[in-house]
Amino acid sequence: QQQVKQSPQSLIVQKGGISIINCAYENTAFDYFPWYQQFPGKGPALLIAIRPDVSEKKEGRFTISFNKSAKQFSLHIMDSQPGDSATYFCAASMAGTYKYIFGTGTRLKVLA
Amino acid sequence: DSGVTQTPKHLITATGQRVTLRCSPRSGDLSVYWYQQSLDQGLQFLIQYYNGEERAKGNILERFSAQQFPDLHSELNLSSLELGDSALYFCASSSGTSRSETQYFGPGTRLLVL
Repeated sequence: QQQVKQSPQSLIVQKGGISIINCAYENTAFDYFPWYQQFPGKGPALLIAIRPDVSEKKEGRFTISFNKSAKQFSLHIMDSQPGDSATYFCAASMAGTYKYIFGTGTRLKVLA
Repeated sequence: DSGVTQTPKHLITATGQRVTLRCSPRSGDLSVYWYQQSLDQGLQFLIQYYNGEERAKGNILERFSAQQFPDLHSELNLSSLELGDSALYFCASSSGTSRSETQYFGPGTRLLVL
């Protein structure tokens, strides 16, 4: 119930392609869903986040799609670039708490 | 550079020992979070402090403890260390006024328990 399941574990995409990372959750008490980007040797950095009252949020080339009924959300990276090569984590936070549950991460490699 | 500093960068110690990891939040941030990142467990939330008080607790072992001092820096104490405690430990900070605000992560402390 507390888990956030993330897939795929790794992803290779050609430059200019679309990268798609999926996450699923069980607990309907989650109400805030951020995505983090982590480069090797660095700490994670917030990329984009969404609340379940909207179905999509876009910031530049990054889009979160949210399906409340399916309890799934995904990160789409349009026009993927080699500089996007990093590990991406989805996360979820429960209403009324500051506790975060993270997915297991997706290692993205964008080929030049 | 996130503005969050963590010391030391690397730490090598033996099983059974005790270590202290230190975190200084960004200027003006009142909240500090601690996370553990390991290969098999991924990124795990450990604990959060806000202005010196514990606010949220995650998967933190009883052998681990933390505190936030009046100057807002925080320390994570790990005792009776086991091989499985080898991991990257991250500290993050935020203003602490909202769950949806950005957390800024430090560069991490890499702990190796031999």
